[in-house]
Amino acid sequence: EVQLVESGGDLIQPGGSLRLSCAASGFTFSNYWMSWVRQAPGKGLEWVANIKQDGSEKYYVDSVKGRFTISRDNAKNSLYLHMNSLRAEDTAVYWCARIEDFWSGHYGMDVWGQGTAVTVSS
Amino acid sequence: EIVLTQSPGTLSLSPGERATLSCRASQSVGNSFLAWYQQKPGQAPRLLIYGASSRATGIPDRFSGSGSGTDFILTISRLEPEDFAVYYCQHYANSPWTFGQGTKVEIK
Repeated sequence: EVQLVESGGDLIQPGGSLRLSCAASGFTFSNYWMSWVRQAPGKGLEWVANIKQDGSEKYYVDSVKGRFTISRDNAKNSLYLHMNSLRAEDTAVYWCARIEDFWSGHYGMDVWGQGTAVTVSS
Repeated sequence: EIVLTQSPGTLSLSPGERATLSCRASQSVGNSFLAWYQQKPGQAPRLLIYGASSRATGIPDRFSGSGSGTDFILTISRLEPEDFAVYYCQHYANSPWTFGQGTKVEIK
């Protein structure tokens, strides 16, 4: 079964750091771009970051640049989001998602985890 | 950054009715680099449509997408009870990827 399982969410004080993990199974993890997407309470979806199959390319939403780092360990079939200098506005459910490359540059996030909650509050 | 604006914010319809959801981009999303997602309360989003009009695996044919350039439509031909949810459009033309603010399809 194709599956993504996130972990690492927690209650953290402003300015703190956290590492989210995403364990992939049921597919060849190293063949796929991967993504993190978040949703603040009662709000819409926000794309956070993407990483290429070999980790050589990474892209971020402006609001997390310089604070968050996406990384992966293909030997462990794992995706990570290192979060530093956390702010109240980073409070959200965070999902990892697999990016399927369907054809001619057409992508879709076709597999999602169950999400992990991050709360930034004093 | 490409801004996606979805309308209406809420659509109140009855089962069996047709739903038409709009997504307008602030600039062209190129070769229809647009996807649609469905999200139910407490769940992760589910990919419905990519490439503006191609259904993802397992998506019923009552869901269809159309449009190009800056204007896109998601149509649900006949609403089933399980279709009442929030729908988001999302572009992948360039970075940053962005989502629309969502359209809630609720039972009338």
